[in-house]
Amino acid sequence: DTGVSQNPRHKITKRGQNVTFRCDPISEHNRLYWYRQTLGQGPEFLTYFQNEAQLEKSRLLSDRFSAERPKGSFSTLEIQRTEQGDSAMYLCASSPEGSSYNSPLHFGNGTRLTVT
Amino acid sequence: AQTVTQSQPEMSVQEAETVTLSCTYDTSENNYYLFWYKQPPSRQMILVIRQEAYKQQNATENRFSVNFQKAAKSFSLKISDSQLGDTAMYFCAFMKDAGNMLTFGGGTRLMVKP
Repeated sequence: DTGVSQNPRHKITKRGQNVTFRCDPISEHNRLYWYRQTLGQGPEFLTYFQNEAQLEKSRLLSDRFSAERPKGSFSTLEIQRTEQGDSAMYLCASSPEGSSYNSPLHFGNGTRLTVT
Repeated sequence: AQTVTQSQPEMSVQEAETVTLSCTYDTSENNYYLFWYKQPPSRQMILVIRQEAYKQQNATENRFSVNFQKAAKSFSLKISDSQLGDTAMYFCAFMKDAGNMLTFGGGTRLMVKP
């Protein structure tokens, strides 16, 4: 168990540019989640995959955001035409099959995005 | 929609002492789950303790225990014999039964002082 891996750890970009983050979940976990955490706040849910199917999306996920998990393994989160308000820590988490209570989330270290 | 409120932005405690972090939530659900997560300065969130709403007995994990008051919608975390390694942000979180989304509170920054 190597844990949930996120890359890059930090990303600085200029307003208007596109960025893509990658998340590699724990290998046997079929559930994958993206959360966003702004400074001094708790994480906010963005989206959830079960295998390759994106089953839930938050209203926070505007048209500029898209997430994929093409083969049910790693996932990417892309933000198009970044805005300063997108600056945040983007957290990925995974969990195995089973009830969400008995299969708690394992979080990665996050990708910190700074939009200048 | 569910909301989770942590009214203490920051707290401090002396090493070996006991500290209690507060959490209240609002929901119309009858069955749900509650969690406390710890986020050390390295930023990786770690599950500390969890509670099923239909269980009246308060959960305990070593030095960590909760006081779950369903009628009051309160879910506080007690840390006994505080250690320097307990210094972190602590987040209370809610999940609906059969749900997949965690709703987090705003967090409490805990500093354990030597």
